[in-house]
Amino acid sequence: GQSLEQPSEVTAVEGAIVQINCTYQTSGFYGLSWYQQHDGGAPTFLSYNALDGLEETGRFSSFLSRSDSYGYLLLQELQMKDSASYFCAVRVGEGTGANNLFFGTGTRLTVIP
Amino acid sequence: DAGITQSPRHKVTETGTPVTLRCHQTENHRYMYWYRQDPGHGLRLIHYSYGVKDTDKGEVSDGYSVSRSKTEDFLLTLESATSSQTSVYFCAISETVNEQFFGPGTRLTVL
Repeated sequence: GQSLEQPSEVTAVEGAIVQINCTYQTSGFYGLSWYQQHDGGAPTFLSYNALDGLEETGRFSSFLSRSDSYGYLLLQELQMKDSASYFCAVRVGEGTGANNLFFGTGTRLTVIP
Repeated sequence: DAGITQSPRHKVTETGTPVTLRCHQTENHRYMYWYRQDPGHGLRLIHYSYGVKDTDKGEVSDGYSVSRSKTEDFLLTLESATSSQTSVYFCAISETVNEQFFGPGTRLTVL
């Protein structure tokens, strides 16, 4: 089976940096993704890491360590609009389910002035 | 934004009735997925499709069936709705391993 752990809530100040961690235990592993979801909205893709290391996309970066079964999402220069839920998801499948994702329960980020 | 629509967007139904949710895409993506989202559980995969008429079960498939007769449409059917199926249902599509695009969601209430 699969299990992912991420903090349920994080609060940070506008302009600051916040890191959201994700640890996973899976029967197979092909990559770690991050999605953002605002209240009432649909999840939207942020990043995907298949290899160890840091991927940077603007203010957001994502890190993966396959040996530690661990990744994190780093948000810099926080803005009020970054208040949302953030989900990590692992790609565990192969064959017809190769693109399937298993999601964590999400971290609710609140940005305060 | 990827062209994905879901219908209906909201539905209230009674226990024991069949319900069909529709997902329609204009992106010609091969893979389509149905998820449900409940507080404390994140997104859980119900069924997925890897081509026309090719579908398979996900993590929480009991009580649900799907069909995909055309590339653009993926239907989710609750054969006999129960209160435990009250949830928000999201359809998603993908063509690569990197990214799934999600529809706006359907809020289903089973009384």
